[in-house]
Amino acid sequence: DQQVKQNSPSLSVQEGRISILNCDYTNSMFDYFLWYKKYPAEGPTFLISISSIKDKNEDGRFTVFLNKSAKHLSLHIVPSQPGDSAVYFCAASFTGNQFYFGTGTSLTVIP
Amino acid sequence: NAGVMQNPRHLVRRRGQEARLRCSPMKGHSHVYWYRQLPEEGLKFMVYLQKENIIDESGMPKERFSAEFPKEGPSILRIQQVVRGDSAAYFCASSPSGDNQPQHFGDGTRLSIL
Repeated sequence: DQQVKQNSPSLSVQEGRISILNCDYTNSMFDYFLWYKKYPAEGPTFLISISSIKDKNEDGRFTVFLNKSAKHLSLHIVPSQPGDSAVYFCAASFTGNQFYFGTGTSLTVIP
Repeated sequence: NAGVMQNPRHLVRRRGQEARLRCSPMKGHSHVYWYRQLPEEGLKFMVYLQKENIIDESGMPKERFSAEFPKEGPSILRIQQVVRGDSAAYFCASSPSGDNQPQHFGDGTRLSIL
């Protein structure tokens, strides 16, 4: 029962361009959403979050958009840099403590 | 991932043995979470603990798995009588409180069952 879905296993983007990573969820009770970045053999690193009372949150090169009616979340990275190459996970919660993770999207930024 | 310390990083066990995974949360964090990641999958929640209390264990298998977070010392995830299907990466995370705050992850323990 995958309540958070990332349908693109991989994405390649040219350096300097925009990377858009997408995430869909099924549970309308989710009210807190996060994006994590993960390098091989390391744990996920928190990037950015958004609560359901907002539709956009920005932190430097990273912006998260939330479309509650579509149950859709996206992460925009602009401009993309080679160091952004990693696996990106979206996560959601309605309890505040148990996070449901997507299966991840592997981003490759080509120099 | 600085701050949340997990050990060992790699653990090899034979079927039927016990595995003990340790997690020390970030300084000032009293909430600990355990997740499991199987190959090609996302992280799956297992259990949420505060000091000396299990708050939510809805993701824990009913048998062979247990977790604790004692008053002193690290949180322990214990797997008894391990089977091949227990092979996975186990991640621990911590947060200062349990309400809609980012969880900060350790680098995980890779458990391999021979």
